[in-house]
Amino acid sequence: DGGITQSPKYLFRKEGQNVTLSCEQNLNHDAMYWYRQDPGQGLRLIYYSQIVNDFQKGDIAEGYSVSREKKESFPLTVTSAQKNPTAFYLCASSIDQLSEQYFGPGTRLTVT
Amino acid sequence: SQKIEQNSEALNIQEGKTATLTCNYTNYSPAYLQWYRQDPGRGPVFLLLIRENEKEKRKERLKVTFDTTLKQSLFHITASQPADSATYLCALGWGGGADGLTFGKGTHLIIQP
Repeated sequence: DGGITQSPKYLFRKEGQNVTLSCEQNLNHDAMYWYRQDPGQGLRLIYYSQIVNDFQKGDIAEGYSVSREKKESFPLTVTSAQKNPTAFYLCASSIDQLSEQYFGPGTRLTVT
Repeated sequence: SQKIEQNSEALNIQEGKTATLTCNYTNYSPAYLQWYRQDPGRGPVFLLLIRENEKEKRKERLKVTFDTTLKQSLFHITASQPADSATYLCALGWGGGADGLTFGKGTHLIIQP
């Protein structure tokens, strides 16, 4: 059963703690992306990766970090430097940058 | 910077009618434009992709048009059903090593029985 998974679905953290969100795909896609969605807002790109061991900052990368050590995995770390981390985080993958994106179910992060 | 505008208010359509959603953009025309459906609390699902050299694309009850002169895409759902109720996102891409997609805020569509 091919697809893209994110875990956990809900995550709660105290302010000042780093937290890592998981994203795994078995679609054999080269490109992977992280987006953030706030209520009433569109998706905003945090980071993207076109290939293993390479990634680029998106529009709102400050306070976030990523790694791409394996083709299947693209974890996102929300650091304590991110001023407003509470949001719905979506991971996506695509064959290449010109193709449709497949999204995971999302992780809703709440920081108090 | 690129700006994408979609109807911010909810669109109410009677079941069986055609729903038409609008996506307008400013500045540079994208290489391609995509439409996604998003249900509450879930990730978007890809629906259709149309490239800059294409005027129209169809898939079952869905149709997308792309007018680079007007800088506009229209998304149509014919014979609409209550199950079509969702938020529909327009996304622009430029490819060629540029960033990922730039998304609009989406239009909330409600199909009333």
